[in-house]
Amino acid sequence: AQSVSQHNHHVILSEAASLELGCNYSYGGTVNLFWYVQYPGQHLQLLLKYFSGDPLVKGIKGFEAEFIKSKFSFNLRKPSVQWSDTAEYFCAVSPRSGSARQLTFGSGTQLTVLP
Amino acid sequence: EAGVAQSPRYKIIEKRQSVAFWCNPISGHATLYWYQQILGQGPKLLIQFQNNGVVDDSQLPKDRFSAERLKGVDSTLKIQPAKLEDSAVYLCASGPGAETQYFGPGTRLLVL
Repeated sequence: AQSVSQHNHHVILSEAASLELGCNYSYGGTVNLFWYVQYPGQHLQLLLKYFSGDPLVKGIKGFEAEFIKSKFSFNLRKPSVQWSDTAEYFCAVSPRSGSARQLTFGSGTQLTVLP
Repeated sequence: EAGVAQSPRYKIIEKRQSVAFWCNPISGHATLYWYQQILGQGPKLLIQFQNNGVVDDSQLPKDRFSAERLKGVDSTLKIQPAKLEDSAVYLCASGPGAETQYFGPGTRLLVL
């Protein structure tokens, strides 16, 4: 079974600061990787995903993530955060093959951006 | 395009009562998922349907939880009887296949 670790439970930044949220996973096979975001009062939305190819993927709102296979990591980055980025961020993985491609989520990182 | 719809949005019940949640996926999506999200944790998969068949229900507490997907479209999740530890947000998600999932707003359940 796969597992996901998000080491930062709560991150507080000022506007324009750079962001990096850590995500590490464990799984014996090939995985698809995701970052989801949940803005206050809203439902979970897909931020970006990695299936194969270029390990540096770009998502919506200026976010990007880099898959480092040797470190089993998929860290989320943004060069300059805005107040509107305040939200909870979830890393998730799913097996790349098989019919039961269940998503396994990390425990989430609450990001607070101060104006 | 309409998103995943869930109802009710909030529910408060007493322990040992029963409760049911409803989900209407995005039109045409074959795959439907139910997740449980306890406060401070990430969502945990309860059950996955492909059309009207169950693909994975290994984490569904079958002694009290049940789910069905009528005619491969809408789905209901039932808890009977509810326990205090069932207090959580129940999320429904759907996808065109097994690759990407789109989430609904969730039903927040409080068991007293």
